[in-house]
Amino acid sequence: GAVVSQHPSWVICKSGTSVKIECRSLDFQATTMFWYRQFPKQSLMLMATSNEGSKATYEQGVEKDKFLINHASLTLSTLTVTSAHPEDSSFYICSAAGTVADTQYFGPGTRLTVL
Amino acid sequence: DQQVKQNSPSLSVQEGRISILNCDYTNSMFDYFLWYKKYPAEGPTFLISISSIKDKNEDGRFTVFLNKSAKHLSLHIVPSQPGDSAVYFCAASRENFNKFYFGSGTKLNVKP
Repeated sequence: GAVVSQHPSWVICKSGTSVKIECRSLDFQATTMFWYRQFPKQSLMLMATSNEGSKATYEQGVEKDKFLINHASLTLSTLTVTSAHPEDSSFYICSAAGTVADTQYFGPGTRLTVL
Repeated sequence: DQQVKQNSPSLSVQEGRISILNCDYTNSMFDYFLWYKKYPAEGPTFLISISSIKDKNEDGRFTVFLNKSAKHLSLHIVPSQPGDSAVYFCAASRENFNKFYFGSGTKLNVKP
């Protein structure tokens, strides 16, 4: 089955630093990847949709200059949290669109803690 | 390999009938399971969860059943309504919530 990986699985950083999270589709080409943010036991909040080779589409209320998304290839998308602050601490999950309509393959998530 | 699988990409049910969505997992260490519902262009919405100490959890029309020995969980929707038409994802994690493993989703279509 399709596998999506995320790296790192967890990261702790100081306030003001930038953190990059990678999302890779390991065995299929993903033209579309999604980035979500999740708080414990709550729904996933869609942050942005990224298509390979084009600019990401951000959801309302998500700062595109703070959450930089790059989808440089069909197997890799990155999310960079710039100038991270404690309120950015959360669980970030990516997913990649599958070939069957409406299927998504989710990564295991990255827990970000900003001190 | 995927640790959580939803083997049916789609399901069609008549309004008023029961919808049963299935999910299988491979890792016996998973102890917390969730179901999400997703409409197009939105993020998945948390629906219902169950911990491994239970085998059933009910919330209104939604019931989740967990069979630990079979590593299988299912979501029952009774009665099904057209507004339930969406993609449903199951997910599993360990107690510390450091990682979530999602199935690939089942698209439910409830016909009026």
